[in-house]
Amino acid sequence: KQEVTQIPAALSVPEGENLVLNCSFTDSAIYNLQWFRQDPGKGLTSLLLIQSSQREQTSGRLNASLDKSSGRSTLYIAASQPGDSATYLCAAIMNRDDKIIFGKGTRLHILP
Amino acid sequence: DVKVTQSSRYLVKRTGEKVFLECVQDMDHENMFWYRQDPGLGLRLIYFSYDVKMKEKGDIPEGYSVSREKKERFSLILESASTNQTSMYLCASSLSEPEAFFGQGTRLTVV
Repeated sequence: KQEVTQIPAALSVPEGENLVLNCSFTDSAIYNLQWFRQDPGKGLTSLLLIQSSQREQTSGRLNASLDKSSGRSTLYIAASQPGDSATYLCAAIMNRDDKIIFGKGTRLHILP
Repeated sequence: DVKVTQSSRYLVKRTGEKVFLECVQDMDHENMFWYRQDPGLGLRLIYFSYDVKMKEKGDIPEGYSVSREKKERFSLILESASTNQTSMYLCASSLSEPEAFFGQGTRLTVV
């Protein structure tokens, strides 16, 4: 059974710093790896989708990488801003049944 | 832009009531999902559906049922609401080459 783990569970960093959020998964038979952002009380907003054949995806200040063989993905945020404060979730989308398995998220707080 | 719409942002229901949560997507997606999200437990899959009239149990289906009579609509049904079903409910849809899109969530309180 696929398990997705995100470390750390919470993170506080000063504004302007670069940071890395980590995601690991136990079953490498994934179709895609997707990163989401969730603001308090709201739904999930898709940030980046990495297909299993890709190594990374970039959108603005965000860069996500995927290493299927080691079961890891990272989300890199450059030059963090207070507006980046949110919970970040990674999700593995499985080959065999399209199920989406989530990690529990990293709660990020950017200090002004 | 893909749009996934959940019928209510906030709901308050009484114990024992039958509750319907509706989700509609406008991009002809085959796959639709219902999750609940609780502090410390993350998102847990309740049910999902690959096509009209098809449904599969997720990790926590007990106390829930679903209906998918039309491709664009996936309903989650709480047959007899209980206080332990107080939660945030999130609906998602995806294509067969999946990128998932989520609705804005429904915060359900059962009193």
